[in-house]
Amino acid sequence: DTGVSQDPRHKITKRGQNVTFRCDPISEHNRLYWYRQTLGQGPEFLTYFQNEAQLEKSRLLSDRFSAERPKGSFSTLEIQRTEQGDSAMYLCASSWGQGNEKLFFGSGTQLSVL
Amino acid sequence: AQKITQTQPGMFVQEKEAVTLDCTYDTSDPSYGLFWYKQPSSGEMIFLIYQGSYDQQNATEGRYSLNFQKARKSANLVISASQLGDSAMYFCAMREGRNTDKLIFGTGTRLQVFP
Repeated sequence: DTGVSQDPRHKITKRGQNVTFRCDPISEHNRLYWYRQTLGQGPEFLTYFQNEAQLEKSRLLSDRFSAERPKGSFSTLEIQRTEQGDSAMYLCASSWGQGNEKLFFGSGTQLSVL
Repeated sequence: AQKITQTQPGMFVQEKEAVTLDCTYDTSDPSYGLFWYKQPSSGEMIFLIYQGSYDQQNATEGRYSLNFQKARKSANLVISASQLGDSAMYFCAMREGRNTDKLIFGTGTRLQVFP
């Protein structure tokens, strides 16, 4: 039974560099979500997809952030020109159906921007 | 105003005892959903329990129950018969309205279960 998979688990980068994270949802799930979590805080919503369509984006998602879900399967989250404030855990989750209450989360990608 | 408030940064409970984790919420939308998630040190968020705003009865899932007091806008999580493996961060979250699938999380409560 494969859950939500995220790659890489950890990423260290220098300020100004671009980074890309990948999320593979549970295979039959049509909805995919990205959240960001900083130390001592709960996760903050970034965006979500239903199949390949991006349905909602948070204002937190500045122009430097872009997310894609080609073919409605895996998703990528790219951050351009990283800043130290981007350091956080980036969590991906997936679910089936419309407004399904149960999200299945991956273990996250921990980003450190030096 | 905070949408989700968890006032207990940390809680201790002895093994086999029950513990209540507090959560209050703020919304004017009559349709909303309330959730609790557990986050162990591994980082993965684990769904525990869900309560819809129109549900008449409190939700229960095994050792977890949600004490839903709509008039007080509280949705406290009760864990019965605590186990050492229950030690983790616990987050309350809300989906507000029918037109979004976004969850708004609180700041969490760290629960430590001791023998």
